[in-house]
Amino acid sequence: DAKTTQPTSMDCAEGRAANLPCNHSTISGNEYVYWYRQIHSQGPQYIIHGLKNNETNEMASLIITEDRKSSTLILPHATLRDTAVYYCIVGSARQLTFGSGTQLTVLP
Amino acid sequence: EAGVTQFPSHSVIEKGQTVTLRCDPISGHDNLYWYRRVMGKEIKFLLHFVKESKQDESGMPNNRFLAERTGGTYSTLKVQPAELEDSGVYFCASSQRQGRNEQFFGPGTRLTVL
Repeated sequence: DAKTTQPTSMDCAEGRAANLPCNHSTISGNEYVYWYRQIHSQGPQYIIHGLKNNETNEMASLIITEDRKSSTLILPHATLRDTAVYYCIVGSARQLTFGSGTQLTVLP
Repeated sequence: EAGVTQFPSHSVIEKGQTVTLRCDPISGHDNLYWYRRVMGKEIKFLLHFVKESKQDESGMPNNRFLAERTGGTYSTLKVQPAELEDSGVYFCASSQRQGRNEQFFGPGTRLTVL
């Protein structure tokens, strides 16, 4: 599975968009990009995934660059409950490889 | 629809004892996964069942760990004998089919080995 690089931490003001970047320069052609998050000691929670095209669901949007070497997860209107560690995962859906993720803190 | 459930939520045992963790996946989910996070490290994959068959057990750390899924419903993960370094949180997840579907995680079992 391809390796990902994420910032260790980010802050975001409540109500503003949170943009979480992820670099995955070694991604191969058939590998998907997945985003999960873990809210304080709960189990990880799926957010979104994509291959080439940008994706949007009720939780977030995923923007993948044309060369697929990086992506950005967008939470359009962050709330305090979005404070969590966000994981960008590239590779197999069957064996998720969690890195250290980005600690997002939404500030009031 | 009930989510993935795990039992117990916490377990404290002494080194050398045996512990069995249980996971009940979402009804109808053929795929069941075990992960764990030990001592502040990253969450690591342990193994993957498709129904009652072990599809991938490449993440199992050693032969002190035994996972079963008889009948293809719930799964158990037994640690025998437990060691100090086994302390951590054990997560179970399930998904509807192989491929690209999301994995639904349970709340985890926190295991402490003294």
